[in-house]
Order: sequence, then C-alpha cells, then structure tokens
Amino acid sequence: DIQMTQSPSSLSASVGDRVTITCRSSQRIGSFLNWYQQRPGKAPKLLIYAASSLQSGVPSRFSGSGSGTDFNLTISSLLPEDFATYYCQQSYITSWTFAQGTKVEIK
Amino acid sequence: EVQLVQSGAEVRKPGESLKISCKGSGYTFTNYWIVWVRQMPGEGLEWMGIIYPGDSDTRYSPSFQGLITVSADKTINTAYLQWSSLKASDTAMYYCARFGGPRLISSAAYNWFDPWGQGTLVTVSS
Repeated sequence: DIQMTQSPSSLSASVGDRVTITCRSSQRIGSFLNWYQQRPGKAPKLLIYAASSLQSGVPSRFSGSGSGTDFNLTISSLLPEDFATYYCQQSYITSWTFAQGTKVEIK
Repeated sequence: EVQLVQSGAEVRKPGESLKISCKGSGYTFTNYWIVWVRQMPGEGLEWMGIIYPGDSDTRYSPSFQGLITVSADKTINTAYLQWSSLKASDTAMYYCARFGGPRLISSAAYNWFDPWGQGTLVTVSS
C-alpha cells in the first residue's frame, strides 16, 4: 500500500488566516490525489480532486497544488465553517489510502 | 440531487450479525460503484470494499477480506455492508460513498469518493 502522511496533525488559526496543509506519499503518485473536509459529526466532503481541481460548489478560497510525492491544500482566508479535519487520499493504486488527517482548530 | 442515505445507528453484542444499508437517489444507481469506508472513534478513514450495483462486481480491501460482505440490490437502489460475527473492534462509524470513476477500475486513474452518506454508527458491546 501507499502510505500517506499529513503535517501538521493539528493547527490553531484565526478567522482570516491563510492556512496550508501538507500531504506526502510514500511513492510518487503523479497528481492522483484528493482532499476531503470533515466537519465535526459530519461525513467527509470532497474538496479537491486530481491534486488541484476544485470540486463543483466548493469555494475558491480552497486550492490544491503539488505532484509526485508532495502536495498542499491551502485555504486563503479561513472562515468559521472551515474549522474541520482535512484528509488527503491517493487514487494512484486501487487500494485507496488516506492520511491521518489535519485538524484545523480555532485559535 | 445525488444523495446517499444510510440506515440508522445499531447496537449489537459480540458474535451477532448485522447488515447496514445505503440507498442512492438522484442518479442511475447501476452505473456507479459504491464504496464503504470505516472510521473508528477518533481515527482516520479506511476503505473496506466496493461494489458495482449493475452487475454486483465486488472488491475488498485486503484488511477486510473475509471479515465483511458487500452486496447490492439494484431493484431498490441499495447497497449493503454486513458482518456475520461482530467484534468489539468493529465499533465505528461506517460511510458509503459514490465512486467517481469509470466502470473499469484501474491504477493511475482519476477517481474519488463523492458524495458520501451521512454515516451509520455501529456499537458492539456486551
């Protein structure tokens, strides 16, 4: 299996802050990388697919970048509803794996 | 609107069986794979199994092979996840999601899980 690792595991930020979460894969995966948001008590929601493509209906303050083994999810200006846990997931091999998640908390 | 609606929370004793469901609406159910994902308390996400309701082609994660059964009834647009003998370690939230990819699942392909059901909490305790 491909191991996915995110950093940091948690962060504290304020409304309006720019936040970047990093995801690293244990082998090169091209741009076969997705990002999900999970608000407390809710199901995950797809934000970004193919490393940088914004899912329909997702606000443009979310963006994704990277290829190979290193990827970023950036939130340009945090809103209250963005406090959640974010997961990256590889789709390079069909034994899909997720990273452990990054919890974004209110400072 | 594409929607997946899961069955309600369940409480079972170790050794009991269980079948939970995921009903799709707003799209042609037989044309998209449905995937099941486990989230243990306070933990991350693990894919368990996937089924193509059109012909019931099914794949399992090696971590769950032999421990679960995934099935579907295309006449009622519903997928299922079942256990024959639950353990306390099966306590978790279980999600279904629609697989956004082609019928032929292959490596190095753009695919994703979207949308997700609301989740079914399974508690196994004596």
